[in-house]
Amino acid sequence: DAKTTQPNSMESNEEEPVHLPCNHSTISGTDYIHWYRQLPSQGPEYVIHGLTSNVNNRMASLAIAEDRKSSTLILHRATLRDAAVYYCILDNNNDMRFGAGTRLTVKP
Amino acid sequence: GAGVSQSPRYKVTKRGQDVALRCDPISGHVSLYWYRQALGQGPEFLTYFNYEAQQDKSGLPNDRFSAERPEGSISTLTIQRTEQRDSAMYRCASSLAPGTTNEKLFFGSGTQLSVL
Repeated sequence: DAKTTQPNSMESNEEEPVHLPCNHSTISGTDYIHWYRQLPSQGPEYVIHGLTSNVNNRMASLAIAEDRKSSTLILHRATLRDAAVYYCILDNNNDMRFGAGTRLTVKP
Repeated sequence: GAGVSQSPRYKVTKRGQDVALRCDPISGHVSLYWYRQALGQGPEFLTYFNYEAQQDKSGLPNDRFSAERPEGSISTLTIQRTEQRDSAMYRCASSLAPGTTNEKLFFGSGTQLSVL
């Protein structure tokens, strides 16, 4: 199974950019890279996903390495409401398995 | 419905009893997933369906766990002879179009199961 590796935790200051890394060295050519986040006491919510090209949406940006073995979720200006666990997942033929994720703490 | 609906919201049961957890996905969504989440951990994949067909049940912990989606819409996760270690939040998610660029999971609020 393709797997992802993320740091257990990261800290950021409010209104500063945050770069959340994810390694997926065993990614296959058809795997989409998905990011979800889980706010305290809530279910996971979709953030962004991509295949090869960088992607932007209203929540975040996704930067994908040229060899696709890593990606970075970018929050351009962290707010206190962005404090959550962020999960990087490989969509391997609908096999959406979550790892432990990165717990992001945002300091005021 | 507007979102993924799960019931009951909370379930307390005694060890050895059977429980059935229900998930009503977003109307028209093809794929339905079941996850289990212990406190402080990420969601653990259990199984998923495309329409009524169970595609992967490799995440089910043992044969006390089963799931069905007979008409390709509502799904039921059944745990027989519950044990205390089954206590967790059980989450359901659905997605519109598997294997496409529109593969996004929408999660329900979950069922918190407590086995006494």
